[in-house]
Amino acid sequence: RKEVEQDPGPFNVPEGATVAFNCTYSNSASQSFFWYRQDCRKEPKLLMSVYSSGNEDGRFTAQLNRASQYISLLIRDSKLSDSATYLCAVNMRGTGFQKLVFGTGTRLLVSP
Amino acid sequence: NAGVTQTPKFQVLKTGQSMTLQCAQDMNHEYMSWYRQDPGMGLRLIHYSVGAGITDQGEVPNGYNVSRSTTEDFPLRLLSAAPSQTSVYFCASSRLANYEQYFGPGTRLTVT
Repeated sequence: RKEVEQDPGPFNVPEGATVAFNCTYSNSASQSFFWYRQDCRKEPKLLMSVYSSGNEDGRFTAQLNRASQYISLLIRDSKLSDSATYLCAVNMRGTGFQKLVFGTGTRLLVSP
Repeated sequence: NAGVTQTPKFQVLKTGQSMTLQCAQDMNHEYMSWYRQDPGMGLRLIHYSVGAGITDQGEVPNGYNVSRSTTEDFPLRLLSAAPSQTSVYFCASSRLANYEQYFGPGTRLTVT
């Protein structure tokens, strides 16, 4: 089993739709969780950290479910500009220290 | 602040050549890491460092060396380039306290 798993998509949604992505992780001791956005041929950019109590930033809501070991990202009122790949990242213990492990990403396509 | 910078942006190597990809950050971040990104494979961790003089292997370390002599710089060395190392390489940094990684713009490497 991969340490961090995501549905690669693509998710095709019309403008204005609500869409949700999940990301599962294998290490129950993980403490830090993140969502990143990556545009084509660009570097990933931090979208939001995911806190135990959940957090919201405008149209974006992130949730953590420790019991089932997954994090989620909800996007409301989708815009054309939301089209991108969304990567989740989870911290895990490496051979010596903590490391950040990324999922393969979920591609979102928002159409007019 | 320049954030995370990477040089070069593009590089073509012949099989067997060696080279160093440069990465620097000016945010005084303790944690630095190198990833490679291949289609359908997401971001895979090559090596990471939690401070000057301290490095550890990631998921795909073979064929790469790193060192961290200063907080600011984290170069990645390809010892003898192989076509399998054709990829986009991203460097990232963060504070150890929160692991919120900031990425450089990437280096696109082609090995022929």
